[in-house]
Amino acid sequence: EVQLLESGGGLVQPGGSLRLSCAASGFTFNNYAMSWVRQAPGKGLEWVSAMSASGISTFYADSVKGRFTISRDNSKNTLYLQTNSLRAEDTAVYYCAKVRDLQSFDYWGQGTLVTVSS
Amino acid sequence: DIQMTQSPSTLSASVGDRVTITCRASQSISSWLAWYQQKPGKAPKLLIYKASSLESGVPSRFSGSGSGTEFTLTISSLQPDDFATYYCQQYDSYWTFGQGTKVEIK
Repeated sequence: EVQLLESGGGLVQPGGSLRLSCAASGFTFNNYAMSWVRQAPGKGLEWVSAMSASGISTFYADSVKGRFTISRDNSKNTLYLQTNSLRAEDTAVYYCAKVRDLQSFDYWGQGTLVTVSS
Repeated sequence: DIQMTQSPSTLSASVGDRVTITCRASQSISSWLAWYQQKPGKAPKLLIYKASSLESGVPSRFSGSGSGTEFTLTISSLQPDDFATYYCQQYDSYWTFGQGTKVEIK
């Protein structure tokens, strides 16, 4: 059974940083691209970032480019999102998702809440 | 950037109704489109990929159609478990979601 478990969310002040983690199990992690998607309270889904299976290719939404960094450790079956220079508008539930063939997102975690507030 | 626009934003329907949600892309995305269902407090669930392919385990009352810039998700006979918010997503160039369509009880 595929499982994705996010962690690392919390309350942070504007300008602060957090590192989110996504522990994967139930599939061959190093065969699949992975992605982060966020959802602000009461709002829709926003794609944030993705990384290829090998880790060589990374992709970012314009809204986070230069502030967020995606990475993965295939030996630990874990995906990361380093979030820096956080703003109030980054407040959201952050989901990690498994990407099938660099296309649709076939499995999702339950999300971790990031709140940016003073 | 490719923009995705869904309509309507909210849809009121009854159990047994046939429901159709439309998604339009700002430029052609061929058939690189997925549909997701999300219930409150839960993660999204993949329903349809490549515009019309039904994800394994998804009931056959869900179907998708379209190509290019216009796509539809149809629920042939709405069930109580189907009241949720639905999102389209393009993956022709990076990934973009539509703003969502909430299907509520009439």
